[in-house]
Amino acid sequence: KQEVTQIPAALSVPEGENLVLNCSFTDSAIYNLQWFRQDPGKGLTSLLLIQSSQREQTSGRLNASLDKSSGRSTLYIAASQPGDSATYLCASETGANNLFFGTGTRLTVIP
Amino acid sequence: NAGVMQNPRHLVRRRGQEARLRCSPMKGHSHVYWYRQLPEEGLKFMVYLQKENIIDESGMPKERFSAEFPKEGPSILRIQQVVRGDSAAYFCASSPKKETQYFGPGTRLLVL
Repeated sequence: KQEVTQIPAALSVPEGENLVLNCSFTDSAIYNLQWFRQDPGKGLTSLLLIQSSQREQTSGRLNASLDKSSGRSTLYIAASQPGDSATYLCASETGANNLFFGTGTRLTVIP
Repeated sequence: NAGVMQNPRHLVRRRGQEARLRCSPMKGHSHVYWYRQLPEEGLKFMVYLQKENIIDESGMPKERFSAEFPKEGPSILRIQQVVRGDSAAYFCASSPKKETQYFGPGTRLLVL
């Protein structure tokens, strides 16, 4: 069974700093790896999806990388802003019919 | 094209009552997934349905929980005789085929 771990559980950074969020998974036979953002009391917003054949995806200030062999993915956020404060979730899709989620990293960007 | 819609957004029930959570998938989406997020935990898969069929219910508790996705109308997640441990956020996602899932805003269930 796929296990997804996210470290750190919480992170506070000053505005403008670059940061990296980490995600690791135990089963490397994944179809894709996805990063989501969840605001308090809200649903999930998909940020980036990396197919298993890809190494990275970029969207604006966000860059996600995938290393299947080591079972790791990172989400890089450049020039962080207070509006980036949220919980970031990674999720992997394997051959099963569902996504396996990590417990998330709660990010606070301090103005 | 409206996104995935869930209602109610918040639901309060007393122990022993029934909870019905509704999910309307995006237009053209015939695949629906239900996830549960317990306090301070990650989202956990519950069930995957296509129209009128349950495809995978490996994440559903064996008792009190059921799900359906009728030919017409929303998908329903039903919890009978709720207990305090059922308090959680329940998220629905939909997809047109078995691909990228689009999530709804969730229903937050509180059992008193």
